[in-house]
Amino acid sequence: QVQLVQSGAEVKKPGASVKVSCKASGYTFNKYGISWVRQAPGQGLEWVGWIGTSNGDTKYAEKFQGRVTMTTDTSRSTAYMDLTSLRSDDTAMYFCARRSLDHWGQGTLVTVSS
Amino acid sequence: SFELTQPPSVSASPGQTARITCSGDALSNQYAYWYQQKPGQAPVLVIYKDSERPPGIPERYSGSTSGTTVTLTISGVQAEDEADYYCQSADSSGTYVFGTGTTVTVL
Repeated sequence: QVQLVQSGAEVKKPGASVKVSCKASGYTFNKYGISWVRQAPGQGLEWVGWIGTSNGDTKYAEKFQGRVTMTTDTSRSTAYMDLTSLRSDDTAMYFCARRSLDHWGQGTLVTVSS
Repeated sequence: SFELTQPPSVSASPGQTARITCSGDALSNQYAYWYQQKPGQAPVLVIYKDSERPPGIPERYSGSTSGTTVTLTISGVQAEDEADYYCQSADSSGTYVFGTGTTVTVL
């Protein structure tokens, strides 16, 4: 069955960077892109961007341009999201999902606090 | 980017019908998708391409579209349907947007 397993919770200081991983199994990794979505505490879903796993194409939401980088390691069937210059309002649960958003990871809580 | 607007809350008694709307100009020519999210859990896709149901999603979930508004209908609401629901669409450049979210309460 399709599974997306994300890395564990992170606590970071303002200005730092965080890298979240998402390991896929149960399907051919390079046939589906990976999307990233975040959810601040008590708030709605916010799309961060996606990456094509076959060609590395990326599309980022405008508000994250310049701060987010999405990459993949096809040998490990793993996608990564790197977010830099963290601020307190980046505190959120970060989810990976297949690009079509039909299967989701369990989420990774990123807390930004001094 | 575009916006998708949903009512903050919808309520229904068990066995009744709950309808959640999602409005946005992009919906006139782009597909809509619906997700259910229960507290502390990842979202689950319940409707894709306006009205298609993924495997394992109960038949009581259905989707429809009219102009710039799409609707998720839960027929015969059950207690387990209590959750937050989000619509989502994408523009022609591949930018995704989520709706503002609707909390469904089963009375």
